[in-house]
Amino acid sequence: DAKTTQPPSMDCAEGRAANLPCNHSTISGNEYVYWYRQIHSQGPQYIIHGLKNNETNEMASLIITEDRKSSTLILPHATLRDTAVYYCIVRVAVLGGTSYGKLTFGQGTILTVHP
Amino acid sequence: DVKVTQSSRYLVKRTGEKVFLECVQDMDHENMFWYRQDPGLGLRLIYFSYDVKMKEKGDIPEGYSVSREKKERFSLILESASTNQTSMYLCASRSSYEQYFGPGTRLTVT
Repeated sequence: DAKTTQPPSMDCAEGRAANLPCNHSTISGNEYVYWYRQIHSQGPQYIIHGLKNNETNEMASLIITEDRKSSTLILPHATLRDTAVYYCIVRVAVLGGTSYGKLTFGQGTILTVHP
Repeated sequence: DVKVTQSSRYLVKRTGEKVFLECVQDMDHENMFWYRQDPGLGLRLIYFSYDVKMKEKGDIPEGYSVSREKKERFSLILESASTNQTSMYLCASRSSYEQYFGPGTRLTVT
């Protein structure tokens, strides 16, 4: 799996957009970008993933640059409950059978949303 | 919504005790995982299972075993708990693209 680089911490005001960057300059053509987050003392939570097109779901948007060497996770209206560690992971899409696809988290970005 | 539940949020055991951590998922997923998470070490895979009664060792299986008798249930067993097994234990269940995690069990071995 390709290595990712994220800033160790970021702050965001409540109600504003939180833009979390991730660099993955060694990404391969068949690797997806995944984002998870982990709120303190809870299990990680899947947020979104994408290959090369921008993606949006009810939680966030994922913007992937054209060369796919970096991406940005956008929380459009951050709330206090979005305070968490956000992990950017680059990996081959999970396949069926015994291709089990374990997850490996780096240090992530600690996002603090303040009033 | 997918739900992954773990039997305990917090557990305190003594050295040498046999410890059972239970995990149940309700989405009929074939693949289930046990990880442990420690500060500075990130998430490490202990065991995974890709079907009933099928299991594979992960990166750090020593001191652990697992059981998968039913598709929805995946158990992690510490045969003889030791203090270096004090950790947060996370169970996960996998769909085609995503892993869904349980709330975690914080185990302390004294």
